Amino acid sequence: EAAVTQSPRNKVTVTGGNVTLSCRQTNSHNYMYWYRQDTGHGLRLIHYSYGAGNLQIGDVPDGYKATRTTQEDFFLLLELASPSQTSLYFCASSDQGDQDTQYFGPGTRLLVL
Amino acid sequence: QQKVQQSPESLIVPEGGMASLNCTSSDRNVDYFWWYRQHSGKSPKMLMSIFSNGEKEEGRFTVHLNKASLHTSLHIRDSQPSDSALYLCAASIGGLGYKLTFGTGTSLLVDP
Repeated sequence: EAAVTQSPRNKVTVTGGNVTLSCRQTNSHNYMYWYRQDTGHGLRLIHYSYGAGNLQIGDVPDGYKATRTTQEDFFLLLELASPSQTSLYFCASSDQGDQDTQYFGPGTRLLVL
Repeated sequence: QQKVQQSPESLIVPEGGMASLNCTSSDRNVDYFWWYRQHSGKSPKMLMSIFSNGEKEEGRFTVHLNKASLHTSLHIRDSQPSDSALYLCAASIGGLGYKLTFGTGTSLLVDP
């Protein structure tokens, strides 16, 4: 099964703080994704990428930046964190096909005070 | 932006019973449906996918798809306590299959 790791697993920051969430996949998948999961909203796509240097905007991108530095590594940046960004963040990866399964990392729980 | 609606929000079934979960998309361009299962405190894992009209069975799990009504359903027979989880339905458009839209999920509790 595809391996996706995330760090940190838990993070607490203050309003206005800078946060970087990291994701690594070791399966040579082309696509990587960042989602947030909130009660009542399900999983919502923030940003995604189909290769190193590529970035695509998802459905809820406001307040987030992302960068894909290599095939393996995808980062989510919150430059001025707000309490509304308190959430559970998942990274996922998939191969290049239209019908390929997405494999999720273990998640990062972020609390913005 | 398409919406994916799931029902019911929560469901309790006795051990050994049948659980039936529903999912409908609002976008007529949707081609693919997935069902993901998320146990408490864990990440979502793909359970089943269906891309054509009809039915697909894998062990105790059966998924149906009616593309005309953009409706899919997941049925779990002989439900086990280990099936207790959040079930998430996702849909995507052909050619953009990597871009999933998820519903808010059905929380299933199997009562031993």
